[in-house]
Amino acid sequence: AQRVTQPEKLLSVFKGAPVELKCNYSYSGSPELFWYVQYSRQRLQLLLRHISRESIKGFTADLNKGETSFHLKKPFAQEEDSAMYYCAIHTSGTYKYIFGTGTRLKVLA
Amino acid sequence: DVKVTQSSRYLVKRTGEKVFLECVQDMDHENMFWYRQDPGLGLRLIYFSYDVKMKEKGDIPEGYSVSREKKERFSLILESASTNQTSMYLCASSLAGVAGGGNEQFFGPGTRLTVL
Repeated sequence: AQRVTQPEKLLSVFKGAPVELKCNYSYSGSPELFWYVQYSRQRLQLLLRHISRESIKGFTADLNKGETSFHLKKPFAQEEDSAMYYCAIHTSGTYKYIFGTGTRLKVLA
Repeated sequence: DVKVTQSSRYLVKRTGEKVFLECVQDMDHENMFWYRQDPGLGLRLIYFSYDVKMKEKGDIPEGYSVSREKKERFSLILESASTNQTSMYLCASSLAGVAGGGNEQFFGPGTRLTVL
């Protein structure tokens, strides 16, 4: 069965430190992967998707098919990055998206 | 500005009541989804719809039903609310993907439902 695993419930880092939010998936086909973010009192919104290969708000994520991972990285964390982050997978030929359990990132001053 | 709206931000109901959660999108999206969001469990898909009057069960459909009579509106129905349905409910919509591909989902603000 398809699954998305985010092993950390909470990740605390200091401002200016590098950040890596882990995401591993299990899917035998070619997945489409997404990172969504939910800031305090805001709705869930797309941060980035692997096919676009963009850097959004300084965040990047590379799909590693060998390790079945899609970790989210940022070299220098900012306080405004504090939020809940969800990794999600879309399986081809279906309408379904599967979300991980989320990682709360706290960036400390 | 794209918009997904949900009928209520907060709702308190009693056990056994029938509950309706409404979601409306103004982006002409084909796909609409209902999730529940619980701490430590992430987002879990309840139902989704890929066209008017079409629906498919997600991962946790028990105790829920849905209705999509118009393209822009997707309703979630709790036939007989129970305390274990206390949760945050999120509606989302997306364009239909090309060749089954995925697209960005746009989320509503959520409805926090408490069942007493």
